[in-house]
This record gives sequence, C-alpha cells and structure tokens, in this order.
Amino acid sequence: NAGVTQTPKFQVLKTGQSMTLQCAQDMNHEYMSWYRQDPGMGLRLIHYSVGAGITDQGEVPNGYNVSRSTTEDFPLRLLSAAPSQTSVYFCASRPTATNEKLFFGSGTQLSVL
Amino acid sequence: GQQLNQSPQSMFIQEGEDVSMNCTSSSIFNTWLWYKQDPGEGPVLLIALYKAGELTSNGRLTAQFGITRKDSFLNISASIPSDVGIYFCAGNYNNNDMRFGAGTRLTVKP
Repeated sequence: NAGVTQTPKFQVLKTGQSMTLQCAQDMNHEYMSWYRQDPGMGLRLIHYSVGAGITDQGEVPNGYNVSRSTTEDFPLRLLSAAPSQTSVYFCASRPTATNEKLFFGSGTQLSVL
Repeated sequence: GQQLNQSPQSMFIQEGEDVSMNCTSSSIFNTWLWYKQDPGEGPVLLIALYKAGELTSNGRLTAQFGITRKDSFLNISASIPSDVGIYFCAGNYNNNDMRFGAGTRLTVKP
C-alpha cells in the first residue's frame, strides 16, 4: 500500500504563478484534507473533503482552491502564488469524517519568491 | 479558532532519560491525539485518546486525556536516539476540523 502520495516533493514559484499540488490515496478513505505547516504554528487546516464531490473550507482557506472529483484524488490549487504561501504542505486522509486517525503524506515544500 | 498550547517547544535530553510534554486548550476537545514527525516526513499517529481521564500506552509511550478535557500529556520512558523528532498534539474540535499544537522538538543525545 502506498498510502497517501504527494507530488511534487519540492517546488519553487515566482509571485503570481499558479500551480497544483497533487494528492492521491489508495486506502479508499472518504475524508481528505490539506494542511500547511509553518514554524512555531503547528499544522493548520486549509480545505477538506468528506467525500467525492464535497469540499469545504478549513481554518486558512484564502488563496487556495480544491476539488474532489474522485475518492482517490484531492488536488490543491494556488491560483496566484504569494510569498506568504511559502510553507510545507501536507495532504492527509482518514477512513471517514468520524474516524479521527489521520494518515499523512510526506509533504511538499513550497517556496514563493 | 480553537488554539492548542503545547510545551515545551524543545527538549534536549540524554539517552535513557524520561520525557514529558503536554498540551492545553481553552476549550474542550472530544478526542486527543499524539503524532510524531520525522525529518522530511509527514506526522505519524502514536496514540489516540477518546475519554476524559483515559490513560493509554504504546510501548514506551504513555498518554493521558485530562480530566477537564482541556489538556493531554505524553510521556516517553527510557528515551532512545530514534525518539528524535517533533511531537504534535492534536485535538478534535469537530469531526471536520482537527487542531494541532505547535509541536515539541525532541533531541536525544547518545
């Protein structure tokens, strides 16, 4: 089992560029989410999805879009990157919205210049 | 939002020593979880706690769900070099929004 797979591992963008961070899970989990990790701030929830076709905002959604067309995939889109979005991004999934045990991907380190 | 205060921020200990860290919140959580993050990897679940007062062990790790439901503790006994990493507490605010502490960075000197 691959678990939660994120690509790319590293990315450098210029301010204003757009890009998509990919996330896929092969565990048939209903719930998927995106977090960003910044020094001294822990992990903060950006967006989440409780199932295919359903997405919702988390704690820090501004500047990010998501979609959930399949159970397996949950891409995160930055439409116009800003230096404040420099961070490490983690995708995570869990079996259902009521099961608290999150499984994390290995992260994407993003730098916006 | 619901904030978790995790302490200490970092710890430098000798191999074999015991470690304690804790997490507090101004609000009640229904579930507390403890994760460990190795460098370059995502966090991995260590222990999940579901009831106030619950004490749960996983090998050398023991965690407790505070009786007030506003705090949790993690203890590591007889630390070894592979315990190095960042430990995060997490509280389940509601089923769709899990909040994380800022982490405790643990260094173990051989």
